[in-house]
Amino acid sequence: DVKVTQSSRYLVKRTGEKVFLECVQDMDHENMFWYRQDPGLGLRLIYFSYDVKMKEKGDIPEGYSVSREKKERFSLILESASTNQTSMYLCASSLPLAGRDTQYFGPGTRLTVL
Amino acid sequence: GESVGLHLPTLSVQEGDNSIINCAYSNSASDYFIWYKQESGKGPQFIIDIRSNMDKRQGQRVTVLLNKTVKHLSLQIAATQPGDSAVYFCSNDYKLSFGAGTTVTVRA
Repeated sequence: DVKVTQSSRYLVKRTGEKVFLECVQDMDHENMFWYRQDPGLGLRLIYFSYDVKMKEKGDIPEGYSVSREKKERFSLILESASTNQTSMYLCASSLPLAGRDTQYFGPGTRLTVL
Repeated sequence: GESVGLHLPTLSVQEGDNSIINCAYSNSASDYFIWYKQESGKGPQFIIDIRSNMDKRQGQRVTVLLNKTVKHLSLQIAATQPGDSAVYFCSNDYKLSFGAGTTVTVRA
């Protein structure tokens, strides 16, 4: 089974802090994604990556950056955390096979910015 | 712009009844559709998928129907059980965002 792990389940940070959210997948998937999930808004794509050192902006990249130095690891960075970045953050990975791009999700990190 | 969205934000179902969750999409070139289930405290998990060359696909207690004419797909859950209570999302190969989902609540 594919396993996607996230570094923390719960995280509390202060406004202005730099925050790193780490995601690791163990199935050699090329694609990795970061989403945030908020009540009534569903899942919104922040950034995704199709390969090492490659990144693409999603729907809401402002205030975030990402890093993919190794294939199995995709990091989400909040350069200066703000209260409106309090949310559930979900990481996913996928291995596109003949167009069947099913994503496998981690358990999520609930981030609170005070 | 291209969109994938669910029709109803919530669905309350009596245990044992069948559930139907609907989804509409706008990109007629979409070739592959996926349904995900997210239980409380967990990330979304794959339930079932369907390619555009099919109208129907069945899994264990779940069936996905695809109507390309009206760009609509549905997820049917037979004999709904308490463990089916979750948020359900549809997605396609062109849309990486999932929308708000439909929250299914099963009544005992």
